[in-house]
Amino acid sequence: NAGVTQTPKFRVLKTGQSMTLLCAQDMNHEYMYWYRQDPGMGLRLIHYSVGEGTTAKGEVPDGYNVSRLKKQNFLLGLESAAPSQTSVYFCASFDGGLGNQPQHFGDGTRLSIL
Amino acid sequence: DAKTTQPTSMDCAEGRAANLPCNHSTISGNEYVYWYRQIHSQGPQYIIHGLKNNETNEMASLIITEDRKSSTLILPHATLRDTAVYYCIVSPTNAGGTSYGKLTFGQGTILTVHP
Repeated sequence: NAGVTQTPKFRVLKTGQSMTLLCAQDMNHEYMYWYRQDPGMGLRLIHYSVGEGTTAKGEVPDGYNVSRLKKQNFLLGLESAAPSQTSVYFCASFDGGLGNQPQHFGDGTRLSIL
Repeated sequence: DAKTTQPTSMDCAEGRAANLPCNHSTISGNEYVYWYRQIHSQGPQYIIHGLKNNETNEMASLIITEDRKSSTLILPHATLRDTAVYYCIVSPTNAGGTSYGKLTFGQGTILTVHP
């Protein structure tokens, strides 16, 4: 019962480098989300998707792009990493249907930009 | 979405009940109250949610006031493993709405359980 899996768990980048964070869920959920969490803060929504092929901006979308080519995967891309993007990134999924089921979160990707 | 107000930190003795308050005075009729916790920077873990009736599950109880402007999460017998940041979040039901399940996290309450 994997739930939500994030890859990689840790990464160190240099300023200007690019990378993609992968989120995979095995619960057939329609909705998926990317959040970031800075030290001492709550999570902030970057982008989200309400179904395969859809994406939408959240609270802090600048500097990030996302894609949802397959229902089970949600990718978060950093085209040109900046030190301000040093953070812990969490992915979550949600079935989006009736019953108000909760979001399920992954264990996070810890990203450092030097 | 309605905003919530929680105390910054609370302490509790192991084995005692932990009662975590949350104010959500601007909550709308279609908004649920959700509680999540985050243990040592792991991913948030769902605890419980409710609309207007009190709720109980294997982890906790949720007491919502009649006017729905505040709620209390109760951990009946706190253990050291319950030390975490607890988030109270209000969010509209997705059924027929446009919130798309988005959650707005505040800074939460740091609960420390002491031996």
